[in-house]
Amino acid sequence: EVQVVESGGGLVQPGGSLRLSCAASGFSFSTCWMTWVRQAPGKGLEWVGNINQDGSDTNYVDSVKGRFIISRDNGKNSVFLQMNSLTAEDTAVYYCVRDFRYFDCWGQGTLVTVSS
Amino acid sequence: DIVMTQTPLSLSVTPGQPASISCKSSQSLLERDGKTYLYWYLQKPGQPPHLLIYEVSNRFSGVPDRFSGSGSGTDFTLKISRVEAEDVGVYYCKQSTQHPKTFGQGTKLEIK
Repeated sequence: EVQVVESGGGLVQPGGSLRLSCAASGFSFSTCWMTWVRQAPGKGLEWVGNINQDGSDTNYVDSVKGRFIISRDNGKNSVFLQMNSLTAEDTAVYYCVRDFRYFDCWGQGTLVTVSS
Repeated sequence: DIVMTQTPLSLSVTPGQPASISCKSSQSLLERDGKTYLYWYLQKPGQPPHLLIYEVSNRFSGVPDRFSGSGSGTDFTLKISRVEAEDVGVYYCKQSTQHPKTFGQGTKLEIK
């Protein structure tokens, strides 16, 4: 079964950092782009960024550039989202997604709450 | 950035009746390879989104044929020929022609 499972969410203070992980299984992970999408409470979907197959290329939405870093470990079939300098506006459910330009496999998401 | 604008933002439909959602992009989504990278997703309550339509008009695996997509350039439409109760949720269009990838605001479908 093709699946991705996110972990690492939680409560963090403004200005703090958090690292999300996404474990993939059931497909050839090293051949796929991977994406992070977030959804603030009661709001729509926002693409956060993506990473290519070998980790040499990443792209980010402007609102997270310089604060968030996406990386991957193909040996562990995992992708990561390092989030720094967090603000209340980063509060959201973060989804890990397999990216073929279309997003065909989504995790259940992990909730990140930025609050003092 | 390409802005995706959906209309309406909500609609209430009687089961068995059709429904239509419009999505307009601020720039053409036609890429030099000849493909148009416009997608439709449905997020049912309490669930992550799932893919309905890829590249404007192609139904993803397992998607019922009552769902159809059409359009070109900057104007796109998702149609449901006969709405069923299980179709409730929020529909999003999304472009993958250019980074950053962007979603529409979402259209909430309710059943009358």
